[in-house]
Amino acid sequence: DIQMIQSPSSLSASVGDRVTITCRASQTISNYLNWYQQKPGKAPNLLIYAASSLQSGVPSRFSGSGSGTDFTLTISSLQPEDFATYYCQQSYSTPRTFGQGTKLEIK
Amino acid sequence: QVQLVQSGAEVKKPGASVRVSCKASGFTFGTYGFTWVRQAPGQGLEWMGWISAYSGNTNYAQNIQGRVTMTTDTSTSTVYMELRSLRSDDTAVYYCARVVTSGGNYFDPWGQGTLVTVSS
Repeated sequence: DIQMIQSPSSLSASVGDRVTITCRASQTISNYLNWYQQKPGKAPNLLIYAASSLQSGVPSRFSGSGSGTDFTLTISSLQPEDFATYYCQQSYSTPRTFGQGTKLEIK
Repeated sequence: QVQLVQSGAEVKKPGASVRVSCKASGFTFGTYGFTWVRQAPGQGLEWMGWISAYSGNTNYAQNIQGRVTMTTDTSTSTVYMELRSLRSDDTAVYYCARVVTSGGNYFDPWGQGTLVTVSS
């Protein structure tokens, strides 16, 4: 199974900050990497697919990059509604696997 | 609009079975695959498996293979997930999601989730 490791596991930041979350795969996954946002009590919501493609309707302050084993999710200017947990997920092979999550909290 | 609506919360005893439904609307059901993901209380996301609504082909996570069955009913655009021999560590919110394979391979949208509680 491909292991996905996110860092950090938690992060405190302020509105307006630029934030970067990283995700590392245990083997190469090309660009088969997706990012989801989950708010408490809600289902995950797709933000980025294929490492860098912004899902329709997602604000442009979200961006993704990377290929191979190392990936990043960047939020250029944090908004109050962005405080949530973020998960990366590989779709290169089965079983599909998720990172452990990064909880983004208000400083 | 494109959406998935899941059945309501369930409480089951250890050893029982549960079936969760996921009704799709707003898109052509038979041209997609669907996945199930669960989330134990306070924990991360765990992929359970996938089913093609076109062929009925399935692929299950090894740790639950033998206890899980995913099926589809194209006449009602509904996906089902049955989990048998329930244990306390099966207590979780269960999500269905559509699998999109154009431009990548990703889960969108997701159902609202179904809480399954396993308790004696």
